[in-house]
Amino acid sequence: GENVEQHPSTLSVQEGDSAVIKCTYSDSASNYFPWYKQELGKRPQLIIDIRSNVGEKKDQRIAVTLNKTAKHFSLHITETQPEDSAVYFCAASGRGSARQLTFGSGTQLTVLP
Amino acid sequence: DTEVTQTPKHLVMGMTNKKSLKCEQHMGHRAMYWYKQKAKKPPELMFVYSYEKLSINESVPSRFSPECPNSSLLNLHLHALQPEDSALYLCASSQSPYEQYFGPGTRLTVT
Repeated sequence: GENVEQHPSTLSVQEGDSAVIKCTYSDSASNYFPWYKQELGKRPQLIIDIRSNVGEKKDQRIAVTLNKTAKHFSLHITETQPEDSAVYFCAASGRGSARQLTFGSGTQLTVLP
Repeated sequence: DTEVTQTPKHLVMGMTNKKSLKCEQHMGHRAMYWYKQKAKKPPELMFVYSYEKLSINESVPSRFSPECPNSSLLNLHLHALQPEDSALYLCASSQSPYEQYFGPGTRLTVT
């Protein structure tokens, strides 16, 4: 089945700096890659996603890049703010089914004021 | 209504109890999901219903029994659970194959 590895497990940045979280996946049939933000005690919230026919997608301060050849994708957050502090999970669709998400292990992002 | 709702928020049950978790969405989504999330871990997919039919069962033990009575409702029936089943149980829904939206979860404690 699909295996998703996520790095780093923890990341601390100063407010205003950029943060980058990286994920690799194993199944070349995977074609959908969402990112979720989960604040303490809350539900995972979809913040951005990318499909395999696109190399990059941006939404205000958040961007995701995908390298299908290398089987890795990354989340970029610019001009970080304290409210960006949360656990971020990447995910990849397994066996070519977007419904069958496999999640990475998560990154605890802390933005220091 | 743009949310997935779940009840109850918290549930404590003994190993011999039978209980049910409920999930509801009124967004017209045709796929609904159950996930299990342990503390400091990612969500793990348990079941997927597509057009009210069970389409994916990730080898979940039979003490967990899903049910989809209609396109808006999803239940998870629990029986003879073990303490290691204590976790946050998340429901999600999606319209297209993409963009799954999660409910707030039910925090389950098995004593």
